[in-house]
Amino acid sequence: SQTIHQWPATLVQPVGSPLSLECTVEGTSNPNLYWYRQAAGRGLQLLFYSVGIGQISSEVPQNLSASRPQDRQFILSSKKLLLSDSGFYLCAWSEQGEAFFGQGTRLTVV
Amino acid sequence: RKEVEQDPGPFNVPEGATVAFNCTYSNSASQSFFWYRQDCRKEPKLLMSVYSSGNEDGRFTAQLNRASQYISLLIRDSKLSDSATYLCVVRGSNYQLIWGAGTKLIIKP
Repeated sequence: SQTIHQWPATLVQPVGSPLSLECTVEGTSNPNLYWYRQAAGRGLQLLFYSVGIGQISSEVPQNLSASRPQDRQFILSSKKLLLSDSGFYLCAWSEQGEAFFGQGTRLTVV
Repeated sequence: RKEVEQDPGPFNVPEGATVAFNCTYSNSASQSFFWYRQDCRKEPKLLMSVYSSGNEDGRFTAQLNRASQYISLLIRDSKLSDSATYLCVVRGSNYQLIWGAGTKLIIKP
């Protein structure tokens, strides 16, 4: 069966520090991969999606970037975090139907 | 107009009651539809897919109205544990999933 792993679960980082969140999927090949951010009490905001290795589509221009170095690995990065980058970050995978989420990373930038 | 719209609620409903939410979508070419449940500070989890003919899973019934471009979720005999935010999701003609902002449901004893 397919599983998705996302880590860390919580993270507190100072303003200006770098960020790297990793997500891996097992049990499937060539999945569509997504990074979302959810502010408190708000809906999901799509940040990036990828339909294959090295293929990244950015939905919202901002302080973040994404990479897909391997088929089942999706990384969210920032060179310098801003206070506004705080939020709940969710990685998800899908094939042609529904999406399945990792446990999420709660990022607090201080 | 947002691509997928939901009433944010909250819907305050007594335990045992029936509650229904709708979700409207703007892209008539949308291909598939889902309802997710999200508990506070947790990731969304798939509740059920929505099929053209409507489908039922226990106390939950989902329906699709393509002509009016909305999907609905009906919860019968609501339980305290049904309290959550319910997200509707629409898959378009590409690989993107368009999410509603969610409807918050609070079941009161």
